[in-house]
Amino acid sequence: QVQLRESGPGLVKPSQTLSLSCTVSGGSVSSGSYYWSWIRQPAGKGLEWIGHIYTSGSTTYNPSLKSRVTISVDTSKNQFSLKLNSVTAADTAVYYCARAQWPVRHVDYWGQGTLVTVSS
Amino acid sequence: DIQMTQSPSSLSASVGDRVTITCRASQTITSYLNWYQQKPGKAPKLLIYAASSLQSGVPSRFSGSGSGTDFTLTISSLQPEDFATYYCQQSDTSPLTFGGGTKVEIK
Repeated sequence: QVQLRESGPGLVKPSQTLSLSCTVSGGSVSSGSYYWSWIRQPAGKGLEWIGHIYTSGSTTYNPSLKSRVTISVDTSKNQFSLKLNSVTAADTAVYYCARAQWPVRHVDYWGQGTLVTVSS
Repeated sequence: DIQMTQSPSSLSASVGDRVTITCRASQTITSYLNWYQQKPGKAPKLLIYAASSLQSGVPSRFSGSGSGTDFTLTISSLQPEDFATYYCQQSDTSPLTFGGGTKVEIK
């Protein structure tokens, strides 16, 4: 059974960088045909896809965030990570890491989510 | 970006009711349409992928249909544990986008 767990600071100051990691257990980030993904949800609102990194290492980002986002993989730790630069209050949300399957890219496993608040 | 429009945004129903939620894409997405259920404080859960394929472990009262731009999620007989918010998602074209959600409440 694949499990994902987000970790990182719950509070980030405006203009700084939001950094989250997702530890994967029960599977490998470097094998199979999967998209390791980040999705966020502001309180009381809908879901926004941030981007993903494919097993091969190729990345795709939401154009609305592309200039500020980096998703990377650390195979030695079986983790993937999200960095979002120059954050504002609008980036306050629950951040989910997730696994999506090729080719449909449906998300079959989700982390529990972690709340990140941007505030001084 | 492909816009996903769900209707209704909320509905009230009773246990045992048949419930239908629709999702319309702003352009054709063939069958790259997925449905998720989310309960308060929890991560979404995959119900249906590729428009009509039932995810393993999901009760058969859930079904999906459609192709192109118009899709439907049907719950054949609503159960107490089905009261939640439902989201559609297109995975045809990046950026992947979600519908605004449909909240299913108890009548």
